[in-house]
Amino acid sequence: GQQLNQSPQSMFIQEGEDVSMNCTSSSIFNTWLWYKQDPGEGPVLLIALYKAGELTSNGRLTAQFGITRKDSFLNISASIPSDVGIYFCAAGYSNGANSKLTFGKGITLSVRP
Amino acid sequence: GAGVSQTPSNKVTEKGKYVELRCDPISGHTALYWYRQSLGQGPEFLIYFQGTGAADDSGLPNDRFFAVRPEGSVSTLKIQRTERGDSAVYLCASSKRPSSGANVLTFGAGSRLTVL
Repeated sequence: GQQLNQSPQSMFIQEGEDVSMNCTSSSIFNTWLWYKQDPGEGPVLLIALYKAGELTSNGRLTAQFGITRKDSFLNISASIPSDVGIYFCAAGYSNGANSKLTFGKGITLSVRP
Repeated sequence: GAGVSQTPSNKVTEKGKYVELRCDPISGHTALYWYRQSLGQGPEFLIYFQGTGAADDSGLPNDRFFAVRPEGSVSTLKIQRTERGDSAVYLCASSKRPSSGANVLTFGAGSRLTVL
């Protein structure tokens, strides 16, 4: 089946540093999203991307939809302790009958004060 | 409601028992999704409803799993003859009709199922 690849499984950074994480697939998608999950909560949407090559920012977060439509990256600038959590990429199709999202396994981000 | 509500938040049951998990989506969201999240993994798709009908149930692992959404709002995920391997967090999400151009899912906090 369709799979999204995220690695490494964990990342450790110092407060104030920038961090970049990417997500790749062997399949083409026309919607890419990034979610963050805190313990005991459901994933919360950070950024949604709808066009190949699109670059979108949300505060300190920037994400890009790869031009091949098989990858995306998320960048967090000037990290702060509350950035700690699990970051998931997700991808799917924006219309039609097949409307489910496929998720990666997630990257656990730790931020040292 | 303001968000997706799932009950119970935690459920502990014995192997072989029957379990129901409930999801109350955001008002006005016509699409409803169930996902399962095992420890250390991302959410895995189970089933998707558009209105009252299951538009895609290809993620249901076997016939012990069933979901309904009789009035196009609240949904119930039903698991028969539970097995220890069913232990996971079951996430529900809702969204506006996909033809609006975006599969932006809003998730609930999940129901953690533990099968002893």
